[in-house]
Amino acid sequence: AQSVSQHNHHVILSEAASLELGCNYSYGGTVNLFWYVQYPGQHLQLLLKYFSGDPLVKGIKGFEAEFIKSKFSFNLRKPSVQWSDTAEYFCAVSTMEYGNKLVFGAGTILRVKS
Amino acid sequence: DVKVTQSSRYLVKRTGEKVFLECVQDMDHENMFWYRQDPGLGLRLIYFSYDVKMKEKGDIPEGYSVSREKKERFSLILESASTNQTSMYLCASSPGGVMVSGNTIYFGEGSWLTVV
Repeated sequence: AQSVSQHNHHVILSEAASLELGCNYSYGGTVNLFWYVQYPGQHLQLLLKYFSGDPLVKGIKGFEAEFIKSKFSFNLRKPSVQWSDTAEYFCAVSTMEYGNKLVFGAGTILRVKS
Repeated sequence: DVKVTQSSRYLVKRTGEKVFLECVQDMDHENMFWYRQDPGLGLRLIYFSYDVKMKEKGDIPEGYSVSREKKERFSLILESASTNQTSMYLCASSPGGVMVSGNTIYFGEGSWLTVV
């Protein structure tokens, strides 16, 4: 069965610091990869997704993620975080063999200090 | 904009009660899902449906059932609520037939259920 690991459960950064959130998945076949964000009191929103083509994916609000197949990774990055990026971030993967259902990581809570 | 609406944001129920969580989507999506979200565990799939009257078990279906009588509505049922079902429940929907690769899933705002 496929699984997703997010390395850090809590991250605290100061405004303008750079962000990188790790995500690794355990599946050797073709995968679709996603990052979702949940701001306090709001519903989950899609930040970005990858399913083919350029492994460097750009999403909303200045976020990007890089798919590195050899490392089974899909890390999320932002060069300069803002207080408004405080949220919980979820990595997710889907595969055709698993019926394209989303499997989520445990989430990373990001707190940005102003 | 896609809208996935969960009728109850906050519920408190007693152990043994039957609980209904309702979800409606307004975008004519074929696929609908129920997840539960727990700290440190992320989102786990309970049940999903890719068509009216169709349902499939997810990763943690025990203690739950679902109903999809109309395309826009997907209900989660706790037949006899227990304290370990205290959680945030998220409904979601996506377009496409049988789980089209890369389709975005849209989530509702969640229902906080406390079982006492």
